[in-house]
Amino acid sequence: GQQLNQSPQSMFIQEGEDVSMNCTSSSIFNTWLWYKQDPGEGPVLLIALYKAGELTSNGRLTAQFGITRKDSFLNISASIPSDVGIYFCAGQSNFGNEKLTFGTGTRLTIIP
Amino acid sequence: DAGITQSPRHKVTETGTPVTLRCHQTENHRYMYWYRQDPGHGLRLIHYSYGVKDTDKGEVSDGYSVSRSKTEDFLLTLESATSSQTSVYFCAISESRVEQYFGPGTRLTVT
Repeated sequence: GQQLNQSPQSMFIQEGEDVSMNCTSSSIFNTWLWYKQDPGEGPVLLIALYKAGELTSNGRLTAQFGITRKDSFLNISASIPSDVGIYFCAGQSNFGNEKLTFGTGTRLTIIP
Repeated sequence: DAGITQSPRHKVTETGTPVTLRCHQTENHRYMYWYRQDPGHGLRLIHYSYGVKDTDKGEVSDGYSVSRSKTEDFLLTLESATSSQTSVYFCAISESRVEQYFGPGTRLTVT
């Protein structure tokens, strides 16, 4: 099945730094979702985007729906230790189609 | 957090034995999903349900069956477990068919 490509695959940053990651697809999506997964737990929905060009924030997190509909971006400002985890993007190509296509994940590590 | 529980949380079973995983929700969401998560493959949809007794296949449905006799419960059955079904299984629920909320997962090991 199709997978979305996320980059970078992993990031090592210091506390307080800003983080940027992206998700790209070869096909168009009508909805983009961003999830975070902590070890041993299920993914938690962070942000949902429904419109090309849309910019949505959730606290220190900001996500954007790319104009081409083939990409999305997630930024985290002033990182803190609890931001550690794996971030997944997910896209839905047709509204009402139950199938989400998931990205390969970006692993975020904060260096002490 | 969405009210989703999965049971058991961990299970070790032998090849060839039947296994049933349970997902229970208290949110009264219409849609329920079963995914498996494997290194290098990410999250892949096994089966989903769009109402009581209404289910359909996902991209990796071979070797799995599901049942939903009540809104709150969605069962995943491995009729005869194989080592390739060793994985972490997640249930998800949705009311909008877009935003899906995941349970805590079940780690299944088939020896």
